[in-house]
Formats: sequence, C-alpha cells, structure tokens
Amino acid sequence: DAKTTQPNSMESNEEEPVHLPCNHSTISGTDYIHWYRQLPSQGPEYVIHGLTSNVNNRMASLAIAEDRKSSTLILHRATLRDAAVYYCILSPGGGADGLTFGKGTHLIIQP
Amino acid sequence: DAGVIQSPRHEVTEMGQEVTLRCKPISGHDYLFWYRQTMMRGLELLIYFNNNVPIDDSGMPEDRFSAKMPNASFSTLKIQPSEPRDSAVYFCASSSWTGYDQPQHFGDGTRLSIL
Repeated sequence: DAKTTQPNSMESNEEEPVHLPCNHSTISGTDYIHWYRQLPSQGPEYVIHGLTSNVNNRMASLAIAEDRKSSTLILHRATLRDAAVYYCILSPGGGADGLTFGKGTHLIIQP
Repeated sequence: DAGVIQSPRHEVTEMGQEVTLRCKPISGHDYLFWYRQTMMRGLELLIYFNNNVPIDDSGMPEDRFSAKMPNASFSTLKIQPSEPRDSAVYFCASSSWTGYDQPQHFGDGTRLSIL
C-alpha cells in the first residue's frame, strides 16, 4: 500500500485557519486521497476525499498538488471541537476497501 | 438517520472467556468492516465483508478470532478464548458502493478489556 507522511502534531488558535499537510510521493494513479479524523473517545469520522482536483465541503477543503505527491487539508476557521487526530489515507476504492491508517496528526486548538 | 450501532460499548471479562462483539451497519450499506485500535499498533483492519461475504480476512490476528455476517443488518466478531493482549477498542464501519467512491461510516466502538 502507498504510504503517507504527516507531522505528529500541530497546534493552532481558535478561529484561525489550519493547514494540515500530507506527503504521499508513491501515490498511484488510481489512489483517492481520503481524510478522516478521530475525536477523543469516538470512532473515525470522514472529512473529505479527492482524486486530482481540489475539493470543498461543509467541513473542510482539500488542496491536491498538481503532481499528486502531496495534499493539504484546510480547516477554514478552527474551533475547539476540531481538536482531533487527522488521518490522511490513500485508497483505490475508499468505501469499498479496507483503510490503512497511519499515526495521523494530532491537532491541538488553543482558545 | 441511525448510524452504525455497536454493542456492547464496554466489555470487561477474564482471560479464557468467549467474547462476542456486535455490529449493525447503516441500512442499505453493502460493505462492512471490522477494525481494532491499540496504542501500540494504532487502527488496523481485521476483516471486511461485501454483501455478507468475507472479502479479506488477512488482518485477523489468529484463529481465535472469527467474524460472521449472517444477514445485511448484523455482524459479529468473536474471540475465543480471549487473552489480555486482545484488549483494544474494536470499531465497525459500513459503506456503500454506488459506482462512485463513498466514505466509511464508523460506530462508536467497543472498548474491550481482558483481565
């Protein structure tokens, strides 16, 4: 499976934008880039996914590099409820394949 | 809409006992996944089903672990006999495939402690 590299932790202030990076230099042409997050004592929660183009939804935006070897999850205005572990995952068929979780990025939000 | 429902939420039992974890996927979803989370190994896939048929069980750690999906609305993960190293949080997830990549929806997990 193609691997992803994320910083272990990041810190941000409430109500400021947050950019969470992910490197995936061995991504294949059929891999989707998925982001999930896990709040304390909860199961993982889907955030966003994309293939080649940038994507926006109500939770976040996903910016994908032109060569697809990296991506950035953008939280436009972080709240305390966004404090979680964020996982960047590559999968050819995310919903139809088992997901391989790495260690993710522990996002800390300061009030 | 009801999400993925897992039971029990917490289970504490003694080594050697049989443990059964239960999962009800979201109605209409045709994929079901079992994951395990520990501090040491993180989140790892154990097994997944498509239309009630096991597709990939390569993540099941040992023969002590077994999973079944007798119908589209119910799955079990059984450990017999249980050991202290099986202590973990077990998550069930479901998804649907509609020709377009769909996300997985996770339950709140079962926290299992084997004494």
